[in-house]
Amino acid sequence: ETGVTQSPTHLIKTRGQQVTLRCSSQSGHNTVSWYQQALGQGPQFIFQYYREEENGRGNFPPRFSGLQFPNYSSELNVNALELDDSALYLCASSFIDNNSPLHFGNGTRLTVT
Amino acid sequence: DQQVKQNSPSLSVQEGRISILNCDYTNSMFDYFLWYKKYPAEGPTFLISISSIKDKNEDGRFTVFLNKSAKHLSLHIVPSQPGDSAVYFCAALGSARQLTFGSGTQLTVLP
Repeated sequence: ETGVTQSPTHLIKTRGQQVTLRCSSQSGHNTVSWYQQALGQGPQFIFQYYREEENGRGNFPPRFSGLQFPNYSSELNVNALELDDSALYLCASSFIDNNSPLHFGNGTRLTVT
Repeated sequence: DQQVKQNSPSLSVQEGRISILNCDYTNSMFDYFLWYKKYPAEGPTFLISISSIKDKNEDGRFTVFLNKSAKHLSLHIVPSQPGDSAVYFCAALGSARQLTFGSGTQLTVLP
C-alpha cells in the first residue's frame, strides 16, 4: 500500500510569483484535502476535492485553487504569492465516508521571500 | 476564533508514567474527534478517534476520553515511552469533512 506522497519537499519563491504543489493520494482513496500549517500552529483546512470537484473550502482567498485528476492525484495552485503564504502545505487523502481518518503526506515547505 | 484549543504548548513526563494531553472545543456541532501525532519533517499520523456518542475509546496504550457537556477531550498515554515524544494535535470533524485542528502540544518523554 502506497501512502500519500507530495512534491517537492521544499520550495522557495518570490512574492508575486505562482506555485504548484503536487500530491499523490494513498491507493484506493477517492478524496483529497489540502491544509496549510504555519509555524507554531495547527494545520488549517484549505479545501477538499471529491470526484474532481471542490466539495468544501476553508477561509482562504480565490488565489488558492486546486485540481483533482481521475487517478485521484491532486494539485494546489497559489497565485500572487504573499510573504504570509510561507508555511508547510499538507495533502491528505481518505475515503468519502464520514469517519474515515485522513492520511497525510509529509508536506511541502514553501518559503516566500 | 479558535474552535479547538490546546492550551498547553508543551508537556514533559518521565518514561513509564502517564501522559495526559488536553483539548477543548467550542462548536457543539462537532461530532467526531481525532488525535494526530507529528514528528519533525513528517506529516501528521492518525492515532485514535472518538465519536460523540461515546465517552471513551481505547487502543493499546492510548485512551481518549470525551466530556461533551464540558466540550473537553483528553488523550491518555500509559505507559509513556521516549518514542512517544512528538507534537500531538487534537482535531474535530465538521462540515464537508474538514478537520479543525488545535495548535498542538509538544510531548517530551524523558528516559
